[in-house]
Amino acid sequence: EAQVTQNPRYLITVTGKKLTVTCSQNMNHEYMSWYRQDPGLGLRQIYYSMNVEVTDKGDVPEGYKVSRKEKRNFPLILESPSPNQTSLYFCASSLSGGGGNTIYFGEGSWLTVV
Amino acid sequence: GEDVEQSLFLSVREGDSSVINCTYTDSSSTYLYWYKQEPGAGLQLLTYIFSNMDMKQDQRLTVLLNKKDKHLSLRIADTQTGDSAIYFCAERGGGSYIPTFGRGTSLIVHP
Repeated sequence: EAQVTQNPRYLITVTGKKLTVTCSQNMNHEYMSWYRQDPGLGLRQIYYSMNVEVTDKGDVPEGYKVSRKEKRNFPLILESPSPNQTSLYFCASSLSGGGGNTIYFGEGSWLTVV
Repeated sequence: GEDVEQSLFLSVREGDSSVINCTYTDSSSTYLYWYKQEPGAGLQLLTYIFSNMDMKQDQRLTVLLNKKDKHLSLRIADTQTGDSAIYFCAERGGGSYIPTFGRGTSLIVHP
């Protein structure tokens, strides 16, 4: 079954404690990205990757890092989480970055930073 | 930056038609999308329309695009309780890899 898998789905952490949210897709997609969803703000893109070893900033990259060492994985790293990073995070992938390609979303990761 | 606007809530009676509206500012928008998000789930692509089209129909869904007014709408015929969800409008300009999403419209279907 084609899917985008994120882990963990739910996490409560403390300010400053590094954490990683993993994302894996099984569709051999080249394009992967991370979004955060906040009430009243909709989805905002954090980082995206066009292919292995190619990453670029989205609209709200501050406080986040990503890496794309393998095609299937695109982890989101919060080196020093802060409460304003409390949010619902979505990983997404598509065959390529072209507009006609369907973007598949993971089920989301609820992150609370206290 | 580019912006996508949609109303936050829409309430309809079961069996009626729902119309969710969206406006955008990017005049170079090439693809326009409608996504559905059910509670506790990620976004699921419902349909998309290319900018050279005025209308696209898929079963109960009808998408209308007025490119001159930069207005996109999603009509759901015979709305059912299972259609209750948040609907996101999104656009992507030609050559841009970053889609811009609206804030989402919560559709509430009541008996």
